[in-house]
Parts: sequence; structure tokens; C-alpha cells
Amino acid sequence: AQTVTQSQPEMSVQEAETVTLSCTYDTSESDYYLFWYKQPPSRQMILVIRQEAYKQQNATENRFSVNFQKAAKSFSLKISDSQLGDAAMYFCAYRGMEYGNKLVFGAGTILRVKS
Amino acid sequence: DSGVTQTPKHLITATGQRVTLRCSPRSGDLSVYWYQQSLDQGLQFLIQYYNGEERAKGNILERFSAQQFPDLHSELNLSSLELGDSALYFCASTLGGTGNNEQFFGPGTRLTVL
Repeated sequence: AQTVTQSQPEMSVQEAETVTLSCTYDTSESDYYLFWYKQPPSRQMILVIRQEAYKQQNATENRFSVNFQKAAKSFSLKISDSQLGDAAMYFCAYRGMEYGNKLVFGAGTILRVKS
Repeated sequence: DSGVTQTPKHLITATGQRVTLRCSPRSGDLSVYWYQQSLDQGLQFLIQYYNGEERAKGNILERFSAQQFPDLHSELNLSSLELGDSALYFCASTLGGTGNNEQFFGPGTRLTVL
């Protein structure tokens, strides 16, 4: 079974600075998708960024980018120019190609942004 | 707004009771996923339906059941409730049952069992 590990329960960053959230995963599949979801205090799950495993190029969405290391099974999220609105719980998630395509989530990292 | 709706937003009930959570997927989406978010277990997949049929099952208790109706809305039934069932229950929908489809999450139903 696939597992996702987020080893940082909590991180802090100063406004306008850069922070990196870590995620590792375990799988025997060669093709899969990886995601970062943001969960603000409203509890809504918001997709931040996604990465297809077959693509070597790291995904980027405005201030959000990932460092995808397939061999190391690592998928970190970098947030540049951090804003107060970035404060939230961030979940790393894996979706394989198995029947159903369910998401497997990590435990989450709480990100605090200081002004 | 993801286009996925869930009702009710909040539910407070007692141990031993039975509740039904409802989810309406985005227009055109055929697949519905149910997830449970609790302090103990984190976010975990419960069950998936595609066009009315069960497609995949996760860590769903035998006391829990779900179905997807012809109009594609889905219901999650939780019975013989225990304190540990208190959680946020999310529904997500996608266009298809497999493949490269983003899952769009509803706002969740917060269940409190007293």
C-alpha cells in the first residue's frame, strides 16, 4: 500500500520570505500523481499544485513550486514571497493508477506566517 | 466554490444514533469519493462510487454504508455511532472513475457525536 509522510508537523515563515514543506512517499507504481492541498481555517480543501510522475519538469503555480525527486520519492513544496493568506494546513497527497484513484494523504503540516 | 455541495454543514448527535450525510457532485461529474478527517486517523479515503456503482473501498467501517443515486448525488450512512466517529466528512467528485481527473472537494460535514 502507498504511504505519504510529512515529517514537519508545524512550520513558521516570515511574511515575504520563502518556506519549503517536505513530503516523502512510498509506492511500487511507476506512474502516479502527487498533489499539495491547502486547508485554511474554513476547512475547505484547495488544490495548490499537482505533479505527474512521468514529467521530469517540476510543476509551478505562481508563488508555489515543487521539487520532485522521483528516485528519492520526495515531493517538497516551496512557497515564495509568503503571504498572511498562506497560513493553513498543507497536505501532501498521492494518487496512483489503481482502480478508483483514491487520494492517500500525509498527516499535514501547519504553516504559520508571521507579519 | 468547487461546485460540490454537502449537507448538512454541521451535525450533532448522540452515541448509538444513525445519520445520513448528503453530497451533490459538480454538474457532469460521475464519480464521488468520501473521505473522513479525524484527529486520530488524519484524512483517509472511505469509499468511491462511479455512475451509481461502488468502485473502490478504503477503511470504511461495517457500520458505515454509502450509495449513489441515479441523479448522481451520494449519501453516506453512519449507524451505531460512537464517540470516535466524530470527524469532518468530505465528499469529492471527478468527471471519470480513473485517469487524470482532479478531485473537487465539497465544504465537508462536521459530525459531532456526544
